Amino acid sequence: NAGVMQNPRHLVRRRGQEARLRCSPMKGHSHVYWYRQLPEEGLKFMVYLQKENIIDESGMPKERFSAEFPKEGPSILRIQQVVRGDSAAYFCASSTAPNQPQHFGDGTRLSIL
Amino acid sequence: QKEVEQDPGPLSVPEGAIVSLNCTYSNSAFQYFMWYRQYSRKGPELLMYTYSSGNKEDGRFTAQVDKSSKYISLFIRDSQPSDSATYLCAMSDYLEETSGSRLTFGEGTQLTVNP
Repeated sequence: NAGVMQNPRHLVRRRGQEARLRCSPMKGHSHVYWYRQLPEEGLKFMVYLQKENIIDESGMPKERFSAEFPKEGPSILRIQQVVRGDSAAYFCASSTAPNQPQHFGDGTRLSIL
Repeated sequence: QKEVEQDPGPLSVPEGAIVSLNCTYSNSAFQYFMWYRQYSRKGPELLMYTYSSGNKEDGRFTAQVDKSSKYISLFIRDSQPSDSATYLCAMSDYLEETSGSRLTFGEGTQLTVNP
């Protein structure tokens, strides 16, 4: 009974490159959330998706960041032209429905050189 | 002012002690309240989930919600060294415009239980 799976666990990119972070929700979960944890800061909401739909992207930076959750396959958080300030731990969570408990993966730690 | 305030600690207690962790919040629209435990280099693990004022107990853990005071607590009885972790409070409201919710977290309290 696998939990939320995120890969890669660690990702190193140079400034200007693209980063792709993947998240497979728990079995039976169709709601996916992305959060970012900056060093010495708490977890901050970024985006909420259901299959093929972005429901709430109020926490996403306006530029360079995008997310998708296709009909088949994992959810993807994409960061284009990465900068040093993007270095953080990115966590994905999933739930069975809105306002049901969200269960988290172990995150992807993104480092920008 | 942050929507959710949580004392970051660190908090150090001897094994067997009762631990009290607290959060206050300012947004009266919050309806759902959670406590997560996060070990180093791991994701948050859900401990308690509640949506009403009052107490909820699960083993050694008790969650308390006081909506009138905008105050939530987590009590850990008979604390163990394995409880050493960062504890995060989280809360959410239901957003009509999106038919969904997002979690707002406290900054976390770092707890160490000494053998």
